[in-house]
Parts: sequence; structure tokens; C-alpha cells
Amino acid sequence: DQQVKQNSPSLSVQEGRISILNCDYTNSMFDYFLWYKKYPAEGPTFLISISSIKDKNEDGRFTVFLNKSAKHLSLHIVPSQPGDSAVYFCAASWNYGGSQGNLIFGKGTKLSVKP
Amino acid sequence: DAMVIQNPRYQVTQFGKPVTLSCSQTLNHNVMYWYQQKSSQAPKLLFHYYDKDFNNEADTPDNFQSRRPNTSFCFLDIRSPGLGDAAMYLCATSRDSAGAGEKLFFGSGTQLSVL
Repeated sequence: DQQVKQNSPSLSVQEGRISILNCDYTNSMFDYFLWYKKYPAEGPTFLISISSIKDKNEDGRFTVFLNKSAKHLSLHIVPSQPGDSAVYFCAASWNYGGSQGNLIFGKGTKLSVKP
Repeated sequence: DAMVIQNPRYQVTQFGKPVTLSCSQTLNHNVMYWYQQKSSQAPKLLFHYYDKDFNNEADTPDNFQSRRPNTSFCFLDIRSPGLGDAAMYLCATSRDSAGAGEKLFFGSGTQLSVL
């Protein structure tokens, strides 16, 4: 059973427009969320993260929004650039009661930004 | 540059023939992870080491073993590869546990083919 779900396998966006990648999770214990970007033939690289005590975190063109009640987070890329074309993975972990969980990944969304 | 290095990038083995994948890191991180990623699937954690402490995921087959002889190196041994073990194997490191809010640093992966 997937605990982290990325229901859109792919997304195509025009250069300069906004890209919105979505992620849903089922485990209420998750309290730390990350987005990773992966180019072909490379390993995933960290992009941006958010703690459950926040509902928004921004880093340049990248913003992550967290809606805890809906167990939903999204990554916004504005403006989108062709170099943003990659697979984006949503991931989550937890830290509760002295125990910690490992990073659980979604299946990824392939973003294509067209010039 | 400090990094996570995986060798080889591509590995071909025969059905049932033991194979070892290697990972090294110059980040001096405490934690090293092995993830398995099959096509269009989420990276799946097989096991991790926190320093010398080995932590196996409950659903990791016995066919998969790991060794960490020192801080810098970690190996994935597949004792009798089956066709279903063909996948990308990703090594990652983190300074502390992912549940403590640490981000993971990934290698480029080893693509394993089983003939």
C-alpha cells in the first residue's frame, strides 16, 4: 500500500508558465516532506523540503505548499524553464516518540517544459 | 567535490550468479542506504546502516545482503539474482536519520540487468 502517492505520471507545461506537481500521503505520522529532482542517468537530488509545522516554504522559483488536513502537498515552479524537465519525486518521513521513520518515496511525476 | 559514488553504472549478471554493487562516500555521513527502483516505480528502501548498525526493512528478501566495512564504503550483495531483481539500485547517505529531518544525498545508481 503506497503511503506517498503521486497520481500524475507526467505533466507538460509551456516555458514561462507555472508547473504544479501534486503529492498525497496516507500516514498521519509523516512530519517532514521533501521534493527530489532526477535527471536521466543521474541520482535524485534534493530540491526543497517542508516541515509539518509550516504550510509553505519558498526557495527561488520553487515553492512547496502543505495542507495537513487534506494530507496533500504541492510543488509550484514559477516560471518553468526547459532545464526543469525531469522526474520529480515527493518523499516523506516521520519522527515521533523517540522513533524515526525512513524516507518513503512516491512514484514520481515526469515534468516536460516546452520552449 | 564531496559526493556519493556508485560503481559500476551498469552491471549485467546471469540468473543465479552472485553480484556485488558498491557505493562510496566522501561526505563522512553516518547513514548509508540502499534503495531499489524498478521502472516507473517509487524507490524502495532495502536497508540502511546507521554507522555500524544494520537495519533491514521487513519486506527485503533474504537474497539481498549488505556490508559496511568502514564509514566510506557500503556494498549490496545479491546472492542469487532472479529476473525480478533487475532494477536501478540507488545508494544514498545522510548525516543523521531521515526521520530527523535530514536530506539524503544519492549516487547516480547502478542499473542491474539479469540474463
